[in-house]
Amino acid sequence: EVQLVESGGGLVQPGGSLRLSCAASGFTFNTHAMSWVRQAPGKGLEWVSAISGSGGGTYYADSVKGRFTVSRDNSKNTLYLQMNSLRVEDTAVYYCARDPPSSTGYHYYFDHWGPGTLVTVSS
Amino acid sequence: EIVLTQSPATLSLSPGERVTLSCRATQSIGSYLAWYQQKPDQTPRLLIYDASNRATGIPARFSGSGSGTDFTLTISSLEPEDFAVYYCQQRSNWPLTFGGGTKVEIK
Repeated sequence: EVQLVESGGGLVQPGGSLRLSCAASGFTFNTHAMSWVRQAPGKGLEWVSAISGSGGGTYYADSVKGRFTVSRDNSKNTLYLQMNSLRVEDTAVYYCARDPPSSTGYHYYFDHWGPGTLVTVSS
Repeated sequence: EIVLTQSPATLSLSPGERVTLSCRATQSIGSYLAWYQQKPDQTPRLLIYDASNRATGIPARFSGSGSGTDFTLTISSLEPEDFAVYYCQQRSNWPLTFGGGTKVEIK
């Protein structure tokens, strides 16, 4: 069974930093691209960042470029999101999400989601 | 950035009705569009990918169509468990983007 479990969220002041983790199990982690998607309270979905299976390709939303860094440790089956210079508008539930299996390369859709971790940026 | 506009924002319908949701892109995205369903306090569920392919385990009452800039998600006959928010998402260009969502509520 595919499982994704995020951790590392919490309350942080504007300008602060947090590192989110997503522990994956039940599938061959290094063959799937992974993404972070966030959802502000009562709002819609916003894609944040993606990383290829090898980690060689990383992609970011304009709203977080230069502040957030996505990485992965395939030996630990874990995805990370380092968030620096946090802003009030970064407050959201952060989900990690898996790319579907494919024999033709990455799709950058999301077929499995973790339960999410809440990040609150407030003074 | 490709902007996806979903319409209408809210639909009030009864079980058994046919539903058509729209997603329009600001430029051509080929068939690189997915649809998700999100129920309150749940994570999103992938319904349709590449515009018209049902994801694993998705009932046949859900279908997707369209290409280029105009896409449709159709639910042939609403079941009680289908009342939710539906999002479209494109993967044609970076950054990936989602539409603002359509809420399907009980009339």
